[in-house]
Amino acid sequence: DGGITQSPKYLFRKEGQNVTLSCEQNLNHDAMYWYRQDPGQGLRLIYYSQIVNDFQKGDIAEGYSVSREKKESFPLTVTSAQKNPTAFYLCASSPDRDRVWYGYTFGSGTRLTVV
Amino acid sequence: AQKITQTQPGMFVQEKEAVTLDCTYDTSDQSYGLFWYKQPSSGEMIFLIYQGSYDEQNATEGRYSLNFQKARKSANLVISASQLGDSAMYFCAMREGRRLAFGKGNQVVVIP
Repeated sequence: DGGITQSPKYLFRKEGQNVTLSCEQNLNHDAMYWYRQDPGQGLRLIYYSQIVNDFQKGDIAEGYSVSREKKESFPLTVTSAQKNPTAFYLCASSPDRDRVWYGYTFGSGTRLTVV
Repeated sequence: AQKITQTQPGMFVQEKEAVTLDCTYDTSDQSYGLFWYKQPSSGEMIFLIYQGSYDEQNATEGRYSLNFQKARKSANLVISASQLGDSAMYFCAMREGRRLAFGKGNQVVVIP
């Protein structure tokens, strides 16, 4: 079955460490997205990518980095510069980068906790 | 500025009753898409229903229907005949161009 796989499901990070969250899709979607979710908040866009080797900052990109070397993969690195990284991270993809009638397909999320 | 507003507090709903979740949005675009997603406690985001800005009919998908009032910029979700499995967070979202923006969500608890 086609879908989006995020790993790991739970991740613990020590202060000062960088960690990378994996997101892989086999839907052949062009566009991929990373969102952050905090309790009581909606989803906030971190980064998005419309095509391979290209990506744009979202609303809360500070302290995060991404790469898009392959169409099916869009890993997110949470750097030590991110002051409050504890959150639930969701990866999503869309078949079309422009048409508004295409919604997003989401992965099952990674819960990151700083210890 | 917040583009999607969901202001209802958490809701308790009796099983088999209908529930309406409010959503208002703000955009100056003529072409946009409105979506509702369900997020159970497991965390996954499940697509429920879509309404296009040019659609004249309200969208329906099984027990879900969307009450679209374009002039009021309102896109309320109606869940009919609530089931225990409907207990979840519900998010309204709007796609303008390349980005999908979300509201803060509504918590729904269905009680037997």
